[in-house]
Amino acid sequence: QVQLQESGPGLVKPSETLSLTCTVSGGSINNYYWHWIRQPPGKGLEWIGYIYYSGSTSYNPSLMSRVTMSVDTSKNQFSLKLSSVTAADTAVYYCARADGFGQPIDYWGQGTLVTVSS
Amino acid sequence: DIQMTQSPSTLSASVGDRVTITCRASQSINNWLAWYQQKPGKAPKLLIYKASSLESGVPSRFSGSGSGTEFTLTISSLQPDDCATYYCQQYNNYPRTFGQGTKLEIK
Repeated sequence: QVQLQESGPGLVKPSETLSLTCTVSGGSINNYYWHWIRQPPGKGLEWIGYIYYSGSTSYNPSLMSRVTMSVDTSKNQFSLKLSSVTAADTAVYYCARADGFGQPIDYWGQGTLVTVSS
Repeated sequence: DIQMTQSPSTLSASVGDRVTITCRASQSINNWLAWYQQKPGKAPKLLIYKASSLESGVPSRFSGSGSGTEFTLTISSLQPDDCATYYCQQYNNYPRTFGQGTKLEIK
């Protein structure tokens, strides 16, 4: 069964760049769409974007100017960078998988809390 | 962006009750709707996709219906383990958008 695991700093200073990596195990990263979703403490879910294994991306327009996603198929990993963070970016960040462009997200990582604070 | 609106925001019901949660889209999403269950401190879990298809391993007491702009998630006989927050998500268009969530409590 495929498993996803987020990793990265749990604390980021304001104005800096948040960087997270998701490692996929139990399956290949190829031929799937890999998503990032976040959830501020006590609030709802916000879709950040996806990256296809080939490298094509789609980002939420609300975050597009600050988001960069990348993929490393040799390591079965994909990554998220969010620049110029503020306290409003404090959230649990989830990586997740969808089976296709128009398919639901079916596998999620456990999530990692990133706090933006000086 | 397509706005997804869930109702109610919170719901309290007894074990054995039939429970219904509604999700409305600001424009037609055909039947490209998923329902997720999220327990505290855990990632969301896919319950229903394509509005009414039950994900493998999900108990049959969960069902989904609807198309176009109005959808429902029904739990036919509420169990204690169903205490969670439920989210709908449309995947007809990008950006994908979620409802605000419905917190289900057991009386």
